[in-house]
Amino acid sequence: SQTIHQWPATLVQPVGSPLSLECTVEGTSNPNLYWYRQAAGRGLQLLFYSVGIGQISSEVPQNLSASRPQDRQFILSSKKLLLSDSGFYLCAWSVSIQETQYFGPGTRLLVL
Amino acid sequence: QKEVEQNSGPLSVPEGAIASLNCTYSDRGSQSFFWYRQYSGKSPELIMFIYSNGDKEDGRFTAQLNKASQYVSLLIRDSQPSDSATYLCAVNRHNDMRFGAGTRLTVKP
Repeated sequence: SQTIHQWPATLVQPVGSPLSLECTVEGTSNPNLYWYRQAAGRGLQLLFYSVGIGQISSEVPQNLSASRPQDRQFILSSKKLLLSDSGFYLCAWSVSIQETQYFGPGTRLLVL
Repeated sequence: QKEVEQNSGPLSVPEGAIASLNCTYSDRGSQSFFWYRQYSGKSPELIMFIYSNGDKEDGRFTAQLNKASQYVSLLIRDSQPSDSATYLCAVNRHNDMRFGAGTRLTVKP
């Protein structure tokens, strides 16, 4: 069966510091991968998605970037965090764009 | 107009009652529809999906889709306190998924 991992689970970072969040998927090949952010009490905002290694599509221009160095690894990064980057970051995978997305446990980020 | 709209709630129902959650969407070309449940502090988990007009039942859950009215709903029969959560509606259109902000459901014992 497929499993999706995210780490760290929680993170407290100062403004201006860098960020690296990692997501890995087990039990499937060539998944579609997604990064979402959920602000407190808000809906899910799609940040990036990837249909293959090195292929990244950005939904929202911002100070975040994503990379997919391996088939089942998706990384979310920032060079300098802003206060507004605080939120719950969720990684998800799907077999194809039109099919069900399955979410990882999430990373709660607090920028102070 | 938001792409996917849900009443934020909170929706409160007594234990054993039917909870009805509603969702409307703006893009008539939308093809697949999903309901997720999200407990506080946790990630969303899939409850069910529906592609065709009509009803789809899975245990205590029934999804209803009306493409002409651009409306999808989720019914929870025999509601339990463990059903208390935020329910997210998601709509797949033109190869991308859009989520509603969610409806918070509270089931009171």
